[in-house]
Amino acid sequence: DTGVSQNPRHKITKRGQNVTFRCDPISEHNRLYWYRQTLGQGPEFLTYFQNEAQLEKSRLLSDRFSAERPKGSFSTLEIQRTEQGDSAMYLCASSVGQGFDYTFGSGTRLTVV
Amino acid sequence: AQSVTQLDSQVPVFEEAPVELRCNYSSSVSVYLFWYVQYPNQGLQLLLKYLSGSTLVKGINGFEAEFNKSQTSFHLRKPSVHISDTAEYFCAVNDYNKLIFGAGTRLAVHP
Repeated sequence: DTGVSQNPRHKITKRGQNVTFRCDPISEHNRLYWYRQTLGQGPEFLTYFQNEAQLEKSRLLSDRFSAERPKGSFSTLEIQRTEQGDSAMYLCASSVGQGFDYTFGSGTRLTVV
Repeated sequence: AQSVTQLDSQVPVFEEAPVELRCNYSSSVSVYLFWYVQYPNQGLQLLLKYLSGSTLVKGINGFEAEFNKSQTSFHLRKPSVHISDTAEYFCAVNDYNKLIFGAGTRLAVHP
């Protein structure tokens, strides 16, 4: 297993466009998390899945953001009508069960111009 | 809700000198604490974690941290740093099913 994979690594988009990111977790990990990291800040929690169920969403996740994990494996994060304030690194992490061994991916850096 | 405060945004240090990166958390009945390192344009790598047991936790790359419940602190230390330790360091606390991170400390090791 090569760890948590995120694609694309970088995305530049024009304001108002929609973007979608993908995260492939470690295969046996049933929990998947999305975080957002802006420049000079620590990661902020966005949402969390256990298998295919989305169990928690941060108030940071506005109605322009939607995340899915349709078969309990990979996950997608979509941002509609992007704004300049959405420019950030989007990190995905996975873990198994109640354990605290979170494995992070390398992230997708989004730049909205 | 849990919160984490990293008291220093930047820590400059000379190579082979000791370093301490400070972290305080909001008190709770039980806490699980973590230190992560992030190199430029990369994800987060776990350095060490405290779940229970001994208050002195040893991690990778020669780092260690001490859990102090009375002071609600979890400071990270290394007795002798290398140029390769230059990176951003994040302290985090578990809050139910997620991690809450501090704002980070940039460690800059100079020759």
